[in-house]
Amino acid sequence: DAKTTQPNSMESNEEEPVHLPCNHSTISGTDYIHWYRQLPSQGPEYVIHGLTSNVNNRMASLAIAEDRKSSTLILHRATLRDAAVYYCILREGLYNQGGKLIFGQGTELSVKP
Amino acid sequence: SAVISQKPSRDICQRGTSLTIQCQVDSQVTMMFWYRQQPGQSLTLIATANQGSEATYESGFVIDKFPISRPNLTFSTLTVSNMSPEDSSIYLCSVGERRASTDTQYFGPGTRLTVL
Repeated sequence: DAKTTQPNSMESNEEEPVHLPCNHSTISGTDYIHWYRQLPSQGPEYVIHGLTSNVNNRMASLAIAEDRKSSTLILHRATLRDAAVYYCILREGLYNQGGKLIFGQGTELSVKP
Repeated sequence: SAVISQKPSRDICQRGTSLTIQCQVDSQVTMMFWYRQQPGQSLTLIATANQGSEATYESGFVIDKFPISRPNLTFSTLTVSNMSPEDSSIYLCSVGERRASTDTQYFGPGTRLTVL
């Protein structure tokens, strides 16, 4: 499984946008970019995923570089509840094709009121 | 979305004993996974629980230490055998959506294990 590199920690102010970067220079053509987050004392939860095009959902946006070697998770307005560890994960293929989620160290996001 | 429950939620065990963790899902799922999260660390995949066949273990994990059962499409167990303090971790069950259009994994609340 290809590796990702994320900053260990980031800080944000409440109600401001947050851009969480992820580098994945060894990504292959069949790797999907997934983002999960883990709130304190909880299991991880799905945030968003994409392959080549930028993606939006109710939680966040995912901006993928044209060469796919990096991506950015965008939280449009951070709230205190968004304080969590955010994991950027490359997974080969779709879930039902046998792809596995292999977690890296993630970015710990803190949100200040 | 799948709802996952795990039992027990936490336990304190003595060195050398074994603990079986149960994972129950509210719907049939094809893929079930077991992860470990050591204190202050990220998650590590232990194995994929396959229904009707032996689990597929990741490098560094063996069946004798972490035997897994998967009797049907909604239930799995993970046993931590001959425990040592190094096994103190949170153990999480995870499942994936069956439909190709949905590519999401859901995680249970975890079982917090302390080995004395």
